[in-house]
Amino acid sequence: DIQMTQSPPYVSASVGDTVTITCRATQGISTWLAWYQQKPGKAPRLLIYAASTLYDEVPSRFSGSGSGTDFTLTIRSLRPEDFGKYYCQQADTFPLSFGGGTTVDMK
Amino acid sequence: EVQLVESGGALVQPGRSLRLSCAASGFTFDDYGMHWVRQAPGKGLEWISSVSWNSLTRHYADSMRDRVTISRDNANNSLYLEMSSLRPEDTAFYYCTRGRGLGELTDFDYWGPGILVTVSS
Repeated sequence: DIQMTQSPPYVSASVGDTVTITCRATQGISTWLAWYQQKPGKAPRLLIYAASTLYDEVPSRFSGSGSGTDFTLTIRSLRPEDFGKYYCQQADTFPLSFGGGTTVDMK
Repeated sequence: EVQLVESGGALVQPGRSLRLSCAASGFTFDDYGMHWVRQAPGKGLEWISSVSWNSLTRHYADSMRDRVTISRDNANNSLYLEMSSLRPEDTAFYYCTRGRGLGELTDFDYWGPGILVTVSS
């Protein structure tokens, strides 16, 4: 099974900052990697798929990169609505798996 | 507008069974693979099961493999999850999700609001 490890688990940031979250897979997954945002009490929201493709209506301050085992989600010019929890997910092999999540909270 | 709405969540005793349903609307249901993902309170996301558009292939997480069955009714735009021998560690919000890609290996572009299953005596 492929394990996904996110780091850091927590990020404290201010509005306007740039935040970078990394996700590492235990084996190569090409670019079969998605990123989600989740707010408290809500379902996750797809942000990026295929490692770097922005999903519909996702602001361009979000970007993703990487391939193989190492991936990055970058949020530039952080806005108040960007605070929440972020998860990566591999779509290369069953069982599908998620990273443990990264909480982005306000400094 | 795509909508997924789960139902069937409940407080159940350990060892009992439960069936979750998901009503889908706003898209051609049988064009998509469908999936269940769960999240224990305060914890991360865990994929549980997937079913192809035509029900010919199904996949399960090891954590529930022998205790869960996924099914779908394309005529009624519905997805189901039958769970048996429930354990306290199955307590979670269960999300019905739509696969974004054409294949079964995919990410999830639409999610229901989630339904809570609590397993406790």
